[in-house]
Amino acid sequence: SQQGEEDPQALSIQEGENATMNCSYKTSINNLQWYRQNSGRGLVHLILIRSNEREKHSGRLRVTLDTSKKSSSLLITASRAADTASYFCATDATQGGSEKLVFGKGTKLTVNP
Amino acid sequence: NAGVTQTPKFRVLKTGQSMTLLCAQDMNHEYMYWYRQDPGMGLRLIHYSVGEGTTAKGEVPDGYNVSRLKKQNFLLGLESAAPSQTSVYFCASSYPGSYTFGSGTRLTVV
Repeated sequence: SQQGEEDPQALSIQEGENATMNCSYKTSINNLQWYRQNSGRGLVHLILIRSNEREKHSGRLRVTLDTSKKSSSLLITASRAADTASYFCATDATQGGSEKLVFGKGTKLTVNP
Repeated sequence: NAGVTQTPKFRVLKTGQSMTLLCAQDMNHEYMYWYRQDPGMGLRLIHYSVGEGTTAKGEVPDGYNVSRLKKQNFLLGLESAAPSQTSVYFCASSYPGSYTFGSGTRLTVV
């Protein structure tokens, strides 16, 4: 079963608004990553937050991690129509001695101009 | 650098046919992975490899085989394709904490 679960499954906002997506996971992790996928395209790595970090920023992106609640959030500020995409969290964990990246089902974000 | 290259990019198979998807990376990464993505879903791990000559099962391995004869290549095989294997397949390679994905192979089994 998939480790990460994003919430909400779909989000529609107006340009200029902030978008917040949440991710919950089940097991201990090495790090948590967020990816973007435009329709019909490949994955673009956005940001990685390590298990000993609580918050990280990259441009208009802000990621938080709460390991006690096994949850993370991705905030996109001042959204643009070009931010329309699906966003996935992925947990990087060592299981059975091997490092694996396990994805959630994603949040589909629509930013209306 | 090319990063991770997947071939082919598109393929249509008839039920029962076989094929091999090739993933090549030029970053000297030890770990390589094959994922599949179905509509409205995230990526699910099919098989992975922690080094040349080693492979292991992921979350959804049934119907697939893999081989890692060379460090830079990871092959995914479908021996007898089924419509349920219609999907987009992504390959990735990594060193600890840093993953690079290929652009995907869109496979349709009719």
